[in-house]
Amino acid sequence: SAVISQKPSRDICQRGTSLTIQCQVDSQVTMMFWYRQQPGQSLTLIATANQGSEATYESGFVIDKFPISRPNLTFSTLTVSNMSPEDSSIYLCSVEGGQGIAETQYFGPGTRLLVL
Amino acid sequence: AQKVTQAQTEISVVEKEDVTLDCVYETRDTTYYLFWYKQPPSGELVFLIRRNSFDEQNEISGRYSWNFQKSTSSFNFTITASQVVDSAVYFCALSEAGGYSTLTFGKGTMLLVSP
Repeated sequence: SAVISQKPSRDICQRGTSLTIQCQVDSQVTMMFWYRQQPGQSLTLIATANQGSEATYESGFVIDKFPISRPNLTFSTLTVSNMSPEDSSIYLCSVEGGQGIAETQYFGPGTRLLVL
Repeated sequence: AQKVTQAQTEISVVEKEDVTLDCVYETRDTTYYLFWYKQPPSGELVFLIRRNSFDEQNEISGRYSWNFQKSTSSFNFTITASQVVDSAVYFCALSEAGGYSTLTFGKGTMLLVSP
């Protein structure tokens, strides 16, 4: 499987600010996804990061709040904009489609975000 | 619409006990994949298994085993002789087969294994 890293691993932010989370894979992958996991909850898909085009957002998530970039096949960023305490969550990226990782999503270690 | 139900919110066992985590799913797709992931306290999500809908053979991997029954739409996960390191939240998930489909997760079952 691919080796996936996320930066930062955790952060504490003030409300009204923005944080950009990076996801890096050690090999080229077709698909990259961003999930949110609120405290004690399951995972919710935010969007699919598309290489060379705009991300595809799930219902309830908008580009102005969660802008996503995917400049190449190994890297993506998720920005959480104008944060509020309700944005306190674990944010995880996942990847699928690449050498040895077909038809299964593998997840990064996650970014723990606390908004005060 | 797809749905995954993990009715057990939390299970507590003592080390060396066997434990089964239940997963029931709903889908209109004729072909699909079922998954189990483990999330230890550190937070990362670890892939455990993927099962194709057309393959109902049970699978065993060390102390882990999975029982897939299409007739009851269930994909249960058993840990034999549980250990403290098995303490984690376990998620069952479902996706449509073919192409790149999104995962539908259950709410997760927290397993606490005490010494």
